[in-house]
Amino acid sequence: DTGVSQDPRHKITKRGQNVTFRCDPISEHNRLYWYRQTLGQGPEFLTYFQNEAQLEKSRLLSDRFSAERPKGSFSTLEIQRTEQGDSAMYLCASSLAVVGYTFGSGTRLTVV
Amino acid sequence: TQLLEQSPQFLSIQEGENLTVYCNSSSVFSSLQWYRQEPGEGPVLLVTVVTGGEVKKLKRLTFQFGDARKDSSLHITAAQPGDTGLYLCAGPNAGGTSYGKLTFGQGTILTVHP
Repeated sequence: DTGVSQDPRHKITKRGQNVTFRCDPISEHNRLYWYRQTLGQGPEFLTYFQNEAQLEKSRLLSDRFSAERPKGSFSTLEIQRTEQGDSAMYLCASSLAVVGYTFGSGTRLTVV
Repeated sequence: TQLLEQSPQFLSIQEGENLTVYCNSSSVFSSLQWYRQEPGEGPVLLVTVVTGGEVKKLKRLTFQFGDARKDSSLHITAAQPGDTGLYLCAGPNAGGTSYGKLTFGQGTILTVHP
């Protein structure tokens, strides 16, 4: 297993367009998290899944954001009608009791 | 919401110097974690401290968890340019675990000059 994989690494989009990011967690990890990080700041929690169930969603997440984790494997995060304020690094992490967190390398979104 | 405040926000030092980064909260945490993040990459877990007063060492890095489990510190001895990066502390929300949802501090950007 090579760790948590995120795709794409970078995305530039025009304001108003929809974007979708993918995260492939470590296969045996049952929890998957999405965080957002702006430059020079710590990550902020967005949402998390335990297996295929989405258990919590941050109030930071507007209705334009949706996440899925079909079959408890990979996850997608979609942002509809992107705004300039959505520009950030979107980080995915997976975890398992005892082992702890492993983050992916993130997707850098730039909305122009 | 439990908040974590890190200080200093920026640290620029010369190779060979020692430094300490602080992570403070008014809330009690069941555990705290420290991460290091390089530009364009995700955070990498360095250590988890669980017991109040606990001290853990990782080569030149020493991590301490406060007795009351409200604060933690990271001390680096004889810093090297390879230590440059963003250092983050993080803790689980009340009732949570170290592998659950985390609250992060705003980070300390460390630059070590050769």
